[in-house]
Amino acid sequence: GAGVSQSPRYKVTKRGQDVALRCDPISGHVSLYWYRQALGQGPEFLTYFNYEAQQDKSGLPNDRFSAERPEGSISTLTIQRTEQRDSAMYRCASSLGTGVRYHEQFFGPGTRLTVL
Amino acid sequence: AQSVTQPDIHITVSEGASLELRCNYSYGATPYLFWYVQSPGQGLQLLLKYFSGDTLVQGIKGFEAEFKRSQSSFNLRKPSVHWSDAAEYFCAVGEKAGNQFYFGTGTSLTVIP
Repeated sequence: GAGVSQSPRYKVTKRGQDVALRCDPISGHVSLYWYRQALGQGPEFLTYFNYEAQQDKSGLPNDRFSAERPEGSISTLTIQRTEQRDSAMYRCASSLGTGVRYHEQFFGPGTRLTVL
Repeated sequence: AQSVTQPDIHITVSEGASLELRCNYSYGATPYLFWYVQSPGQGLQLLLKYFSGDTLVQGIKGFEAEFKRSQSSFNLRKPSVHWSDAAEYFCAVGEKAGNQFYFGTGTSLTVIP
């Protein structure tokens, strides 16, 4: 595709439900990143992958959050037992390689998650 | 720890006026610095970046930014703002040894006719 796509664009769920957010990176991009952006804040790093390997998950706030990229392309961020504090914009980015100096990260439009 | 401060939450300028958005960072060494723009419904788009060398960097859409080590600043400027520049602007520090960005809280720009 032309850019990073994310689905759904908007998700409203009830507290306690599980949600899965999808990211489809630019074709050929090795690295994929997840960020969370609360209202009035900048994006905050959650995790990233090189191919299918999750290289860093230090930003995941707790064990209710998980991410996978089983075939090194599409990635899914899953939030179990959602809580109201999980409400935010979840952004995905991809790049040709790792290292912010050499490889620009291209961001998707985000998924706006609202937990009621 | 790395951090980025954007002291202005919201700025309003008239079309054709000059613009300066402030960014201050905290980092242990010379950082990698970035400015991103976020338009409604769009993803973040890279405006410009600084790694080393010339402290005045040029970006897309007529933007420039100047790295000032003594002030730990990386302010974004544009000599003449267009209505289409209305958006949210984020300053970010990139880890040299890693792949993470640390973003500021953003500055929302409104352009009035």
